[in-house]
Amino acid sequence: GQNIDQPTEMTATEGAIVQINCTYQTSGFNGLFWYQQHAGEAPTFLSYNVLDGLEEKGRFSSFLSRSKGYSYLLLKELQMKDSASYLCAVRASDGNNRKLIWGLGTSLAVNP
Amino acid sequence: ETGVTQTPRHLVMGMTNKKSLKCEQHLGHNAMYWYKQSAKKPLELMFVYNFKEQTENNSVPSRFSPECPNSSHLFLHLHTLQPEDSALYLCASSQGTSSDTQYFGPGTRLTVL
Repeated sequence: GQNIDQPTEMTATEGAIVQINCTYQTSGFNGLFWYQQHAGEAPTFLSYNVLDGLEEKGRFSSFLSRSKGYSYLLLKELQMKDSASYLCAVRASDGNNRKLIWGLGTSLAVNP
Repeated sequence: ETGVTQTPRHLVMGMTNKKSLKCEQHLGHNAMYWYKQSAKKPLELMFVYNFKEQTENNSVPSRFSPECPNSSHLFLHLHTLQPEDSALYLCASSQGTSSDTQYFGPGTRLTVL
């Protein structure tokens, strides 16, 4: 089956660094996405990894290891506005179709 | 602003009502999606349209009826819904359907009484 696991909740302190992990077991792999979703708002695209390694984009970085079925999102210099849900999604193969498999999301609370 | 708008933002309806959700994208994309987001569940893909043609229907009950008159507009017509249909309904668009990033609208928070 298709499965994505990520922690349900995390707490961190303003100014600190936090790492949100995502492990996946899917049929086929065609890329992994991270989205940020504030309460009551649209999920917004953060990053896309299709090759192994680290992709850095400002305060946010995303890492992928395809052999381990593992990714993480690293948030540096945390700000209060980073309190949100972080969604991991994998583009998997379903026959001739490619579809996104979504995790449940990790709710991050940044405290002062 | 992601370039995808949805109306209404909030909707309360009875089980016998008929209502429609509207989505519009200003990104020049060719693919549009409807998702359902419920508490403690992953995003559930409902329908996919590519160049106005429906390419996926993930076993969605017939009380949900999508319509895509052109690549920029997507509707979800609702009738005789059940209380368990209460959820956040998200619209998304992408350039194509194979490997492109999806951009989401803010969603419609639907409550069925």
